[in-house]
Amino acid sequence: LAKTTQPISMDSYEGQEVNITCSHNNIATNDYITWYQQFPSQGPRFIIQGYKTKVTNEVASLFIPADRKSSTLSLPRVSLSDTAVYYCLVGDRGSTLGRLYFGRGTQLTVWP
Amino acid sequence: DTGVSQDPRHKITKRGQNVTFRCDPISEHNRLYWYRQTLGQGPEFLTYFQNEAQLEKSRLLSDRFSAERPKGSFSTLEIQRTEQGDSAMYLCASEPSSGNTIYFGEGSWLTVV
Repeated sequence: LAKTTQPISMDSYEGQEVNITCSHNNIATNDYITWYQQFPSQGPRFIIQGYKTKVTNEVASLFIPADRKSSTLSLPRVSLSDTAVYYCLVGDRGSTLGRLYFGRGTQLTVWP
Repeated sequence: DTGVSQDPRHKITKRGQNVTFRCDPISEHNRLYWYRQTLGQGPEFLTYFQNEAQLEKSRLLSDRFSAERPKGSFSTLEIQRTEQGDSAMYLCASEPSSGNTIYFGEGSWLTVV
């Protein structure tokens, strides 16, 4: 299972766009990239998933370059409530999905 | 609420006691996972069920830990002879057979004193 590398922490201010980059040099052909968000004392919550190029939903965008060795989660106009830990996971959808490596994630702190 | 449900949310126990956590997955999700999470770390995989069959166990799951999923519905995670190092949040997650993503419960906090 491919491991990922992401910054330990990031700071931002309300209203700014935040980009969190994840490195996954050993990504396999069948692997997808999934991002989760976790608030203190809660379970992780699915944000977005993608395979290549760009994926956008009502919460975030995910940018994946052609070589797929990295990905960037983009959160537009963050608010205080976006303060959380963000995890980048890489793996094949299906039975291996739940056994993915979470790592320590990126602690995003949004300041007023 | 039709999400993953875990019970109890918090448990304080004395060292050496046994504890059991219950997880009710999203209806018709045939895959169920247990994780452990300590402060400052991401969730760590413990074990995985497909229906009632336990298909994989992490080496983190010592012989004091046992998990079951009778009839492929709810699951229980039991920790025998608890130790202070067992203090953590225990997360349950379920996944549909389509395998698009996994859905987590709110977790069960264990404090061993």
